[in-house]
Amino acid sequence: DIQMTQSPSLLSASVGDRVTLNCKASQNINKNLEWYQQKLGEAPKLLIYYTNNLQTGISSRFSGSGSGTDYTLTISSLQPEDVATYYCYQYNSGFTFGSGTKLEIK
Amino acid sequence: AVQLVESGGGLVQPKESLKISCAASGFTFSNAAMYWVRQAPGKGLEWVARIRTKPNNYATYYADSVKGRFTISRDDSKSMVYLQMDNLKTEDTAMYYCTAGQPLAYWGQGTLVTVSS
Repeated sequence: DIQMTQSPSLLSASVGDRVTLNCKASQNINKNLEWYQQKLGEAPKLLIYYTNNLQTGISSRFSGSGSGTDYTLTISSLQPEDVATYYCYQYNSGFTFGSGTKLEIK
Repeated sequence: AVQLVESGGGLVQPKESLKISCAASGFTFSNAAMYWVRQAPGKGLEWVARIRTKPNNYATYYADSVKGRFTISRDDSKSMVYLQMDNLKTEDTAMYYCTAGQPLAYWGQGTLVTVSS
């Protein structure tokens, strides 16, 4: 089974900061990776699909990159409404969510 | 608009069974793979099960943690997907989300399943 490791588990940043969330797969997942945002008490929301494709309606502040085993979600300018937990998810072999990165405002 | 509405959650005792449902609307249900994803209280997301479409023989896939105990099914005529959960364990306590497509663009609001004596 493919394991997905997200880092950091908790990230505190200031409004306007550029923030980077990391996701590492235990083996090559061929860019078959998605990012989800989950706000407290809500269902998850798709942000990015196939590593770097922005879902319709999602702010262009969000972007994704990566290849092989290493992937990144970047928020170019952190806003208060971005407070949430972010999960990566691979579907290259089976289906696996990462353990999440909780993003807070400093 | 796309809607996924889960129902059927509740409190059950260990080793009991429960069937939860998801009603879909606003998209061509028969063309979409359907999934169940769960989230234990205060924990992360866990993929549970997937069912493919008729052209793919309604193939099903399960997480190791539920294999042999849970069964996913669908009724394309009703735009419904189900999760039959047997021999429930306390560790199955979670919010269960129905989700659709690839990528997982559509999600319901979840139904809470509590397994406790």
